[in-house]
Amino acid sequence: RKEVEQDPGPFNVPEGATVAFNCTYSNSASQSFFWYRQDCRKEPKLLMSVYSSGNEDGRFTAQLNRASQYISLLIRDSKLSDSATYLCVLSVGGTSYGKLTFGQGTILTVHP
Amino acid sequence: EAGVVQSPRYKIIEKKQPVAFWCNPISGHNTLYWYLQNLGQGPELLIRYENEEAVDDSQLPKDRFSAERLKGVDSTLKIQPAELGDSAVYLCASSLDPNGSQYFGPGTRLLVL
Repeated sequence: RKEVEQDPGPFNVPEGATVAFNCTYSNSASQSFFWYRQDCRKEPKLLMSVYSSGNEDGRFTAQLNRASQYISLLIRDSKLSDSATYLCVLSVGGTSYGKLTFGQGTILTVHP
Repeated sequence: EAGVVQSPRYKIIEKKQPVAFWCNPISGHNTLYWYLQNLGQGPELLIRYENEEAVDDSQLPKDRFSAERLKGVDSTLKIQPAELGDSAVYLCASSLDPNGSQYFGPGTRLLVL
């Protein structure tokens, strides 16, 4: 089983739609969680950290469920510029402190 | 502020040839990472440096891959000899410390023919 699993999509949604991505992880020792965004042929960039209480940044909301070991990202009022691959990322800590484990990514295409 | 710089951006070589990639991290960032990203996959860590010390190289295929960060700033990643399966994007990232956010460079796209 992969450490981090994501639905690869692609998700094709119209502008203004709400879209949600889920991600599951297998290592219960995982301590830190993130969503990264990667545009086509570009490097990954940190979108937001994910906190246990859930957190929001503008149109983006991230949730963490430790009991079920999944993370979600909700995008409201989708924009054309949101089209990208969204990577679910975690860090275990301990001797692997600082090591990020990435999911394969979920492709989002927002169309007019 | 300049971001992580990598060169070359693209490299095409024949199999069995050597190849080297260079990374200059963000100024002041002590932690440096090399990742490999295959098409349709997320990046996978190859090696992590704290200053000049490689603190995690468990995923680095040491029979053909090597890396160095001699003065704790710039780093090079080398493959010798390259194989067809090494075709991928090699990403360098840096952070202030292991706890800090990681910032990625644009990557080097390697094609082995």
